[in-house]
Amino acid sequence: DSGVTQTPKHLITATGQRVTLRCSPRSGDLSVYWYQQSLDQGLQFLIQYYNGEERAKGNILERFSAQQFPDLHSELNLSSLELGDSALYFCASSPRTPTNEQFFGPGTRLTVL
Amino acid sequence: LAKTTQPISMDSYEGQEVNITCSHNNIATNDYITWYQQFPSQGPRFIIQGYKTKVTNEVASLFIPADRKSSTLSLPRVSLSDTAVYYCLVGERGGSQGNLIFGKGTKLSVKP
Repeated sequence: DSGVTQTPKHLITATGQRVTLRCSPRSGDLSVYWYQQSLDQGLQFLIQYYNGEERAKGNILERFSAQQFPDLHSELNLSSLELGDSALYFCASSPRTPTNEQFFGPGTRLTVL
Repeated sequence: LAKTTQPISMDSYEGQEVNITCSHNNIATNDYITWYQQFPSQGPRFIIQGYKTKVTNEVASLFIPADRKSSTLSLPRVSLSDTAVYYCLVGERGGSQGNLIFGKGTKLSVKP
């Protein structure tokens, strides 16, 4: 158990819909990262937040957005869903000190039908 | 971030030592080398991180030569449960990008 929680565990929805994935980082961690993992693309970095502010952006589509709240939990919003958005979405958090050690959550498996 | 190259797959048997080598010719002065392990449908798990020479923890050892253009993750006496994908990443600790670039990784299969 990494200490990072993600909900829901599974999500099945239809094309064109909008969903929200939620992540709670480890206690004390200020950074939250979102990754997408699909069979053909591997693990792709989407976005990072640090203490409520966007810190870095990766291959995140315009249909996707995220935010980090004052209590440090984060939400990833996916809209106008397409079949290709079906993937595992991981959230990770990292300690305050400079490190490349990230603690990953169990992931949310999104299936778009 | 420096590009890394590692074997796509490796096979081993229980009880053997496994060495996975990663090439990172363009590693920068401030870059660290980090290895992650991922089981199917689970998030990656940090294994070890180093800058130079040798680092050892309860799980693995990381060997980094003086020129730092490559590194080797050593897993002693592997078991079936070590079957996983292993990723080598290079970058500044908590760098300005703050993210890690995961390549394809090395799929390790441990057989009985």
